[in-house]
Amino acid sequence: GNSVTQMEGPVTLSEEAFLTINCTYTATGYPSLFWYVQYPGEGLQLLLKATKADDKGSNKGFEATYRKETTSFHLEKGSVQVSDSAVYFCALSESGSEKLVFGKGTKLTVNP
Amino acid sequence: EADIYQTPRYLVIGTGKKITLECSQTMGHDKMYWYQQDPGMELHLIHYSYGVNSTEKGDLSSESTVSRIRTEHFPLTLESARPSHTSQYLCASSSQGQGYGYTFGSGTRLTVV
Repeated sequence: GNSVTQMEGPVTLSEEAFLTINCTYTATGYPSLFWYVQYPGEGLQLLLKATKADDKGSNKGFEATYRKETTSFHLEKGSVQVSDSAVYFCALSESGSEKLVFGKGTKLTVNP
Repeated sequence: EADIYQTPRYLVIGTGKKITLECSQTMGHDKMYWYQQDPGMELHLIHYSYGVNSTEKGDLSSESTVSRIRTEHFPLTLESARPSHTSQYLCASSSQGQGYGYTFGSGTRLTVV
């Protein structure tokens, strides 16, 4: 079945460091891919998405490129801030469906 | 601003009590979902609905029940709360289309003592 695997955390970085959170997927057809962010005590918010191969999603300095050849959707940010501390979830929606399959989440802590 | 609302945000309740967690959305979405989030952060789908009078159990077995009498409202009920029900509960909704994703509420953190 469809699945999402993202790197285990926690990830701890210093402010202004480069961030990569790896995400790979298994799916039939042509899924859409998403990154969600969950700040402490809150629900999940959509951070960015990509709906077809080679699309790049971007928002708030974060980027991820839909790589069909490597079945990946890695999240990157060039310079993290303390305010980026949160849990990040990679997800896919199956071809022809709205139902999301989530990864297990990666907790990011950014220290000043 | 949130278009999907969960109440209460926090709830501490005694064992054996009946509770209902409320979830309402103003976007006219036909599909709604309940997730249980454990302390390890992983999300577990416990119920979903694809429209009025339609409810299904999710991937994780749950003692809770849901109803969908109105499009905008998807409450979750525990008939007899137990400490094992202590968790964060997240409600979400989605519209037609593969590439739109979900809109989540802020969650209810339930503690059963």
